[in-house]
Amino acid sequence: EIVLTQSPGTLSLSPGERATLSCRASQSVSSSYLAWYQQKPGQAPRLLIYGASSRATGIPDRFSGSGSGTDFTLTISRLEPEDFAVYYCQQYGSSGTFGQGTKVEIK
Amino acid sequence: EVQLVESGGGLVQPGGSLRLSCAASGFTFSSYWMSWVRQAPGKGLEWVANIKQDGSEKYYVDSVKGRFTISRDNAKNSLYLQMNSLRAEDTAVYYCAREGGTTLGWAFDIWGQGTMVTVSS
Repeated sequence: EIVLTQSPGTLSLSPGERATLSCRASQSVSSSYLAWYQQKPGQAPRLLIYGASSRATGIPDRFSGSGSGTDFTLTISRLEPEDFAVYYCQQYGSSGTFGQGTKVEIK
Repeated sequence: EVQLVESGGGLVQPGGSLRLSCAASGFTFSSYWMSWVRQAPGKGLEWVANIKQDGSEKYYVDSVKGRFTISRDNAKNSLYLQMNSLRAEDTAVYYCAREGGTTLGWAFDIWGQGTMVTVSS
């Protein structure tokens, strides 16, 4: 079973700053099957990135994904007030394992 | 509008059973794998189970194998999760989610609003 470890657990930043979130897999993951989600309190998750680097429909271009093998990154180039949330990475094999999440909070 | 709406959550005693439903609309339900994902209070997301378009393949997280059963009725555009022998650790919001298929790397592109399941005496 592949385990995804996200870091840091919490990222404290100000609006306008750049956010870099990491997702590390316990074994190699196909880039095609690595996704990122955003979740705000009381809401369902929302797909941001699929295939490690492709933005989902309607996702602003300040969100970008990169990486391969065991190391993947979600970057938010300039934080907007609505971007403060929890972010999860996910890999898809025969199941959809999630990382434990990174909370991006206002500094 | 593409939509998933869950129902069936509630309070149940340990050892009890509950059946969750998820009604799909706005897309061809029978063309997609579907999943259940849960989130314990204050915790992260945990994939629970998924099912192939025709119901011929089903997969479960180890912690629910033998207790939960995923099923679907394509004629009714509905997904189900039968949960038996419930434990306190099954307490969570349960989401149904559409797997986006090969074009989206099987990412979960549509989610319901979730239904809360509380297992407590």
